[in-house]
Amino acid sequence: DAGVTQSPTHLIKTRGQQVTLRCSPKSGHDTVSWYQQALGQGPQFIFQYYEEEERQRGNFPDRFSGHQFPNYSSELNVNALLLGDSALYLCASSSLDRGNEKLFFGSGTQLSVL
Amino acid sequence: RKEVEQDPGPFNVPEGATVAFNCTYSNSASQSFFWYRQDCRKEPKLLMSVYSSGNEDGRFTAQLNRASQYISLLIRDSKLSDSATYLCVVNLAGSQGNLIFGKGTKLSVKP
Repeated sequence: DAGVTQSPTHLIKTRGQQVTLRCSPKSGHDTVSWYQQALGQGPQFIFQYYEEEERQRGNFPDRFSGHQFPNYSSELNVNALLLGDSALYLCASSSLDRGNEKLFFGSGTQLSVL
Repeated sequence: RKEVEQDPGPFNVPEGATVAFNCTYSNSASQSFFWYRQDCRKEPKLLMSVYSSGNEDGRFTAQLNRASQYISLLIRDSKLSDSATYLCVVNLAGSQGNLIFGKGTKLSVKP
């Protein structure tokens, strides 16, 4: 049973570029949440997708957007990258049937913006 | 005031020591509470949920005081493998999956 998988594992971009990160949830999960973890900080909630729609959103600008596909996989897009967007981006999957409380995290994508 | 605050750490302890982490949360609407463990450059993993009655899992004991909005984690007989960052996590009522993480407390267990 595959857990949460994310790609790529590492990415280097320059300011102003755009990036797309990908996530496949754990088998049986229908909800995907994205988190940003800056160095020395705890993860911060970006948004959550269920039934291909954004259900909740944290305090992130609309440069951060996402998508969920019919197979429950998800993408996170960040436009007009800033140096401050450098962070570990974590995808977490959960099941709405179980209240979405137990999250399973992928190993993350380390994004460096130069 | 930050939503979830933790001891800044780092905690450097010898093997076999007992170590306690504390955490406070600001939103009284918080419904669910957790401790996650995160190894260096890895993803967070659920260590244990925290209940009002307190709960224990082997060497780990978690306590919740809703009146004081305070959560604790006690690790007894610490092992080298316990070295990690421990994240205090809160879930608001009705938020379903929007977890609020503290900054984490780093624990280093030395031989």
